Amino acid sequence: QSVLTQPPSMSAAPGQKVTISCSGSSSNIGNNYVFWYQQLPGTAPKLLIYENNRRPSGIPDRFSGSKSGTSATLGITGLQTGDEADYYCGTWDNSLTVVFGGGTKLTVL
Amino acid sequence: QVQLVESGGGVVQPGRSLRLSCTASGFTFTSYGMHWVRQAPGKGLEWVAVISYDGSSKYYADSVKGRFTISRDNSKNTLYMQMNSLRPEDTAVYYCAKDYYTYGQYYYGMNAWGQGTTVTVSS
Repeated sequence: QSVLTQPPSMSAAPGQKVTISCSGSSSNIGNNYVFWYQQLPGTAPKLLIYENNRRPSGIPDRFSGSKSGTSATLGITGLQTGDEADYYCGTWDNSLTVVFGGGTKLTVL
Repeated sequence: QVQLVESGGGVVQPGRSLRLSCTASGFTFTSYGMHWVRQAPGKGLEWVAVISYDGSSKYYADSVKGRFTISRDNSKNTLYMQMNSLRPEDTAVYYCAKDYYTYGQYYYGMNAWGQGTTVTVSS
């Protein structure tokens, strides 16, 4: 299983808000920046959030990130059908590896 | 704009070898660490390896350590992954990805990905 723990799936209605959690430990999230990625069906992943809570240019402010201790959260407000995707958290681990969460499949009903 | 184009995937028998390539453009290749990340069919992302901007540091996932070798040719803006002793569980789409930071010492994340190349290990 993955070093970082995410819920396998979540769902919400259009216009609603969802938060996706990512739980780790002091050897990864607790002492390193968290990145979030969005993978739309059939495409490569795309950077969504970097350094815990910063958005690359072009990412709408409906997407937000936060970190507290050994956990991180991705928030998405004003859900749209185009947000249906798999979402992954990732970071550096003190074992000198990059670690990812198992991914959360978001369904916008 | 940043462009990463992987090649070299295919169908290979267990125990055989394959070399993947990733040609980069649109950024200063010599300034960034580069990753390989794979995704088995219907599964999540699995980080495979990273190489520093100058090739002096390399780190691997336990699942490939001793079998895979990451390398780069900065004169050709190209990243490589030599995969030996392939196993059925290595079947996946392999993505190359650009590290977020210039001259990074730690590799927190990636900000550009290729379209991927598919490796199938089967007899």
